[in-house]
Amino acid sequence: GEDVEQSLFLSVREGDSSVINCTYTDSSSTYLYWYKQEPGAGLQLLTYIFSNMDMKQDQRLTVLLNKKDKHLSLRIADTQTGDSAIYFCAESISGNTGKLIFGQGTTLQVKP
Amino acid sequence: DVKVTQSSRYLVKRTGEKVFLECVQDMDHENMFWYRQDPGLGLRLIYFSYDVKMKEKGDIPEGYSVSREKKERFSLILESASTNQTSMYLCASSSSRVGDYGYTFGSGTRLTVV
Repeated sequence: GEDVEQSLFLSVREGDSSVINCTYTDSSSTYLYWYKQEPGAGLQLLTYIFSNMDMKQDQRLTVLLNKKDKHLSLRIADTQTGDSAIYFCAESISGNTGKLIFGQGTTLQVKP
Repeated sequence: DVKVTQSSRYLVKRTGEKVFLECVQDMDHENMFWYRQDPGLGLRLIYFSYDVKMKEKGDIPEGYSVSREKKERFSLILESASTNQTSMYLCASSSSRVGDYGYTFGSGTRLTVV
């Protein structure tokens, strides 16, 4: 079945770049997503990438997609303490525009 | 601003009680979802609905039921609450319209069953 895997924890220093990685299994996924969850809150859509793209940039965020390896990454440039949160990768299920499969989430800790 | 509203942020219930978690969205979305979130396990899908009065089981439906009588409202019901249902519950909605992407989430309900 479909599966999305992420490492559970990443620690960086303020001002450094953060790279959060994700692997997925459904090669026919149409869209892949990154969500951010701050403490005590719901998930907020950060960005998404269409499966026919290799890269998408949005201010400090860069998403890279390697379809051959089914690998997705989120790079945050100049990481700030406000970026500390849990980041979830998600893939859309083929043939169904409504349902997403989420990874376990990566906790990003930003040290001053 | 579009919203998914969950009726309670924090809830404490006793074992064996029937518990209702309410979720309302104002975006005219067709699809609605209930997830539970536990540390290290990510988000696990309990139930989802593609239309009014329609429901489908997710990955962990045991001990739960749902109701969708109106398009904007999706309720999660714990028939007889147990301590292993202590968790964060997240509601989400999405559109099936082309060009609308991803889920919009509510703020979550942290349920403690004692």
